[in-house]
Amino acid sequence: SAVISQKPSRDICQRGTSLTIQCQVDSQVTMMFWYRQQPGQSLTLIATANQGSEATYESGFVIDKFPISRPNLTFSTLTVSNMSPEDSSIYLCSVILQGGNTQYFGPGTRLTVL
Amino acid sequence: SQQGEEDPQALSIQEGENATMNCSYKTSINNLQWYRQNSGRGLVHLILIRSNEREKHSGRLRVTLDTSKKSSSLLITASRAADTASYFCATARSSGSARQLTFGSGTQLTVLP
Repeated sequence: SAVISQKPSRDICQRGTSLTIQCQVDSQVTMMFWYRQQPGQSLTLIATANQGSEATYESGFVIDKFPISRPNLTFSTLTVSNMSPEDSSIYLCSVILQGGNTQYFGPGTRLTVL
Repeated sequence: SQQGEEDPQALSIQEGENATMNCSYKTSINNLQWYRQNSGRGLVHLILIRSNEREKHSGRLRVTLDTSKKSSSLLITASRAADTASYFCATARSSGSARQLTFGSGTQLTVLP
């Protein structure tokens, strides 16, 4: 398995501001992903974070709203831009380790937008 | 949109009883994974079953996969109060190199002491 950390663990933000969430892994990974879990719901994939290039976004998610960076194999950031109360969710990063298929999840960032 | 559906949506049992949760999906898969989530925290990976496997065990967990019916089940035997959590199935597509997961709607399990 892998140790995955996310910062911050939670935050309360004002409408119209932006928040950047960091994800750090202690192992070499092949793939990193970002998911959103809205209150009482299941997880929805936002995008695949690609090392050194633009992320691959799922339908319904765009780069202007959720810019993602992945400068190296073990680190990625997700920014939630121009936030509204509808963005209140738990945001989770996940990874697949080299040579494996299992997807491991970080502890999540609980975001509340007022 | 969610590919998978899970049933039941909520399950309440007594400690010591077995809990069975079912998952259905719609497209061809490479593998199916089960996760547990406690009170909105991060997901804990429980077990992965490949598309060419039919059954897998891990401790008190037993997972079955029926690709002809596009369904899977998770059985937790001799349940404990600490098993109270939300359980999600997630499928990895079989096409291309993509290994993104599509999650089911989840089952909220409550184990009563």
